[in-house]
Amino acid sequence: SQQGEEDPQALSIQEGENATMNCSYKTSINNLQWYRQNSGRGLVHLILIRSNEREKHSGRLRVTLDTSKKSSSLLITASRAADTASYFCATDAWGGFKTIFGAGTRLFVKA
Amino acid sequence: DTAVSQTPKYLVTQMGNDKSIKCEQNLGHDTMYWYKQDSKKFLKIMFSYNNKELIINETVPNRFSPKSPDKAHLNLHINSLELGDSAVYFCASSPFTGNTGELFFGEGSRLTVL
Repeated sequence: SQQGEEDPQALSIQEGENATMNCSYKTSINNLQWYRQNSGRGLVHLILIRSNEREKHSGRLRVTLDTSKKSSSLLITASRAADTASYFCATDAWGGFKTIFGAGTRLFVKA
Repeated sequence: DTAVSQTPKYLVTQMGNDKSIKCEQNLGHDTMYWYKQDSKKFLKIMFSYNNKELIINETVPNRFSPKSPDKAHLNLHINSLELGDSAVYFCASSPFTGNTGELFFGEGSRLTVL
């Protein structure tokens, strides 16, 4: 069953603006991850946040996790045209051997 | 040096045929996966292998048979292909077991069934 659901499904912004994507999930998790997928390519891992963490930064990326609301957000600051891609959240449950992906947010950054 | 490589990248075939997709990882990881991505970009796990042993089979039809000859390889054979099998198939590996963690993906194999 699908675990994560992203919001919005699609987002179009101008270069330099910030992009925020949200993810909700249904069951308890061990960690939550965000991945990027460029058109026609494989997924690339961006950042992992553990269930006991609330916020994490990596370069222009900021991820928050609210386990009480079962939600996460990914903020990309000062976006660039090269950030145009699909972004997926993914969750790992405790004791599981599988990572469950959401449906993704398509981000389009206009130069 | 490609970390997770899949072949072929594109595959076009007729309904009813049998086809295979190969995957190799040179990262030394113990765990490998097959995922299917449909036309709406939804990514669904199919199989998970840990050190050549099948761990997860997500109710995939038995027309799909994964094979792991060693922990660096995980191949996917599909019998009697159907139109609904058209998708992009991704192989992935992870250094972790149990609670997974970061996945390393191949570039995908786009299967089109006519």
